[in-house]
Amino acid sequence: DAKTTQPTSMDCAEGRAANLPCNHSTISGNEYVYWYRQIHSQGPQYIIHGLKNNETNEMASLIITEDRKSSTLILPHATLRDTAVYYCIVRVVNSGYALNFGKGTSLLVTP
Amino acid sequence: DAGVTQSPTHLIKTRGQQVTLRCSPISGHKSVSWYQQVLGQGPQFIFQYYEKEERGRGNFPDRFSARQFPNYSSELNVNALLLGDSALYLCASSLSRDSHWGAPGANVLTFGAGSRLTVL
Repeated sequence: DAKTTQPTSMDCAEGRAANLPCNHSTISGNEYVYWYRQIHSQGPQYIIHGLKNNETNEMASLIITEDRKSSTLILPHATLRDTAVYYCIVRVVNSGYALNFGKGTSLLVTP
Repeated sequence: DAGVTQSPTHLIKTRGQQVTLRCSPISGHKSVSWYQQVLGQGPQFIFQYYEKEERGRGNFPDRFSARQFPNYSSELNVNALLLGDSALYLCASSLSRDSHWGAPGANVLTFGAGSRLTVL
C-alpha cells in the first residue's frame, strides 16, 4: 500500500471550510484514497473514497489532483462536532479490510 | 438499528492474564475485523473474519487469536497479557469480504466504540 503523509494538527473556525490535505506520492493506478475520522472516545467513521475523480457526499468532498499524488478532504461548513482525527488511507479496493490508518490529522474546530 | 456492539467497554487485567473481548456486528453483516489502537496512534489491523473463516491477519504475535460464530459475532482472545497490550480494541463489521466496492459507502467498515483494556 502507498504511504500517506498528513499534517499532525489543524485548526478551523466554525462555519468555515476545513481543508485537510494528504500526500500520497507513491500511489499506484489501482489504489483508492479513503478518508475516515475518529471522534474522541468513538470508533472510526467512514467519510468518503475516490480513485481519480472528485467525489462529494453528504459529509464531505474529496479533491484528488490530476497526477493523484495528493488529495484534499473538504468539510464545507465545519461545526464543533467535526472536531476529530481524520485519517487518509490509500488501498486497493477489494483487498480486504486491513486498513493502514497512520496517525492522521487532529482537526480542532473552534467557535 | 443497532450498530456494532462490543463488550466489555472497559476492563483491567494484570500481566500474564488472559482476556476475551466480544463483538456483535450489524445485523446482516458477515465480516468482522479487529483493530488495536494504542494511545496516540491510529488503529492497527489484527484480524479479519468472513463467514467464520480467517481472511486476514496483521503483524501480531500468536498470543492474539479470534473466532467468528455462526451468528457472525466474534471474540478476540489475548493470552499472557503484557503491559504493551493496553489499548482500545475496536471491532468493525461489513457486509462483504472485500472493501469499498460498489455504490459509494457500500461495504465500508462500521466500527464499534471499542473495549478499553488496561494491563497492570
